[in-house]
Amino acid sequence: KNQVEQSPQSLIILEGKNCTLQCNYTVSPFSNLRWYKQDTGRGPVSLTIMTFSENTKSNGRYTATLDADTKQSSLHITASQLSDSASYICVGVSGTYKYIFGTGTRLKVLA
Amino acid sequence: GAVVSQHPSWVICKSGTSVKIECRSLDFQATTMFWYRQFPKQSLMLMATSNEGSKATYEQGVEKDKFLINHASLTLSTLTVTSAHPEDSSFYICSASGLDLYNEQFFGPGTRLTVL
Repeated sequence: KNQVEQSPQSLIILEGKNCTLQCNYTVSPFSNLRWYKQDTGRGPVSLTIMTFSENTKSNGRYTATLDADTKQSSLHITASQLSDSASYICVGVSGTYKYIFGTGTRLKVLA
Repeated sequence: GAVVSQHPSWVICKSGTSVKIECRSLDFQATTMFWYRQFPKQSLMLMATSNEGSKATYEQGVEKDKFLINHASLTLSTLTVTSAHPEDSSFYICSASGLDLYNEQFFGPGTRLTVL
C-alpha cells in the first residue's frame, strides 16, 4: 500500500533556529519525492523535487535529502523566519500522476 | 510562470443549493487537472482527475453525480458541488499539469466552501 508518513506532527521553534522534518515513504512504482509548503488557507507551493538518483536538493534556506534505500527523506530549514510558519507536506509520486500526500508537519516559528 | 487560479476563494451557501468552482491555468496549457478536498488538519485527498475533452476519473468513494467536473478547455476546469450539504463543507484545491519533465502539478490557492 502506498503511503507517506511524516514526523513530527507539529513543531514550535524560535526564530533563527534550524529544524528538520522527517518523511518515510512507501511508494511503488517510485517516480519522485516532493516537499511542499502550505500556508493556512492556501494551496501548496513546491519547495523541492528529487528523483531516485538525487540525494540532496536545496532551495534557499530549505534543503531536502533523500535516501532511496531506507525510503526516507528530510527537509531542513536553516535560520528560520516567522514566515516559515506553515504546514510542510511530503509527497511521494508514483508513476506519472499519482501523488501520495503525507499528513504534514505544522511548523510554528515564534519571535 | 505556471500560475493556477481558483474562483471563488470562498463561498457560503445554503444546504441544497449547487456551487460551481472554477480552476484556471493562467500561463500554460493544462492537459490534466486534478481536484482535491482537504479537511481541517488533514492532508489533501484526491477526488478526481480530468483530461481536457474527456470524462473525469473519480477516486473510489467520490460520488460523480454529486461532484460534477468539466474540463472543456486546456485552461479551465470546473467543479460543481450539487445539492450541497453541511458535510460537503471543506477546502477544495485544484491543480493543473502540462507536459513537462516531472509532470509537475501546480496548485491553485483553494476555495473554502461552507454549507449552512
